[in-house]
Amino acid sequence: EPEVTQTPSHQVTQMGQEVILRCVPISNHLYFYWYRQILGQKVEFLVSFYNNEISEKSEIFDDQFSVERPDGSNFTLKIRSTKLEDSAMYFCASSVVGQGSQPQHFGDGTRLSIL
Amino acid sequence: AQTVTQSQPEMSVQEAETVTLSCTYDTSESDYYLFWYKQPPSRQMILVIRQEAYKQQNATENRFSVNFQKAAKSFSLKISDSQLGDAAMYFCAYRSYGGSQGNLIFGKGTKLSVKP
Repeated sequence: EPEVTQTPSHQVTQMGQEVILRCVPISNHLYFYWYRQILGQKVEFLVSFYNNEISEKSEIFDDQFSVERPDGSNFTLKIRSTKLEDSAMYFCASSVVGQGSQPQHFGDGTRLSIL
Repeated sequence: AQTVTQSQPEMSVQEAETVTLSCTYDTSESDYYLFWYKQPPSRQMILVIRQEAYKQQNATENRFSVNFQKAAKSFSLKISDSQLGDAAMYFCAYRSYGGSQGNLIFGKGTKLSVKP
């Protein structure tokens, strides 16, 4: 069964540095998402992406964050000037459609540790 | 804004027994979707079951079923004949109907342990 893949599985970065988290959504999916899960807290929506542009973003997704689909397969989340509080699990998800009961398929996540 | 509450941080069940995980939500919308996701220790979240709010019939998927009480805004998950592989974090999630609100709103999760 096709899967969403994320790399790296664990990223350790110094505070203030930039980090790029990578995701390969399922090939026939058109909607892409990033979520964040700080340790011990709920999974939080960051951003959704469709047709090469952001369709929705949460208040968490400020100017520090950006997303890009640089080619036909990858979907990236860039975090500039990382802060300690950016430490979290970051999940990528994709779906065929952006609404309805069609499920979002999640990757394994990238554990981001900011030192 | 919609919120999802899972009041049980941890639950435990004996293998082959039945367990029910609770979820309540708050919304002013009349149409929406509800989901239960399972997150095993490997960390990938997997869809367990989904429910359309406009359907009165409770969804079932093999050993998994829901008790959807729309008026009470309750969406509990029942796992029958629990297996060791059911041990995981379980997340309840809400999704608006239509518009651009495609994102999922999650509860904090319930950690389910299965005892052999």
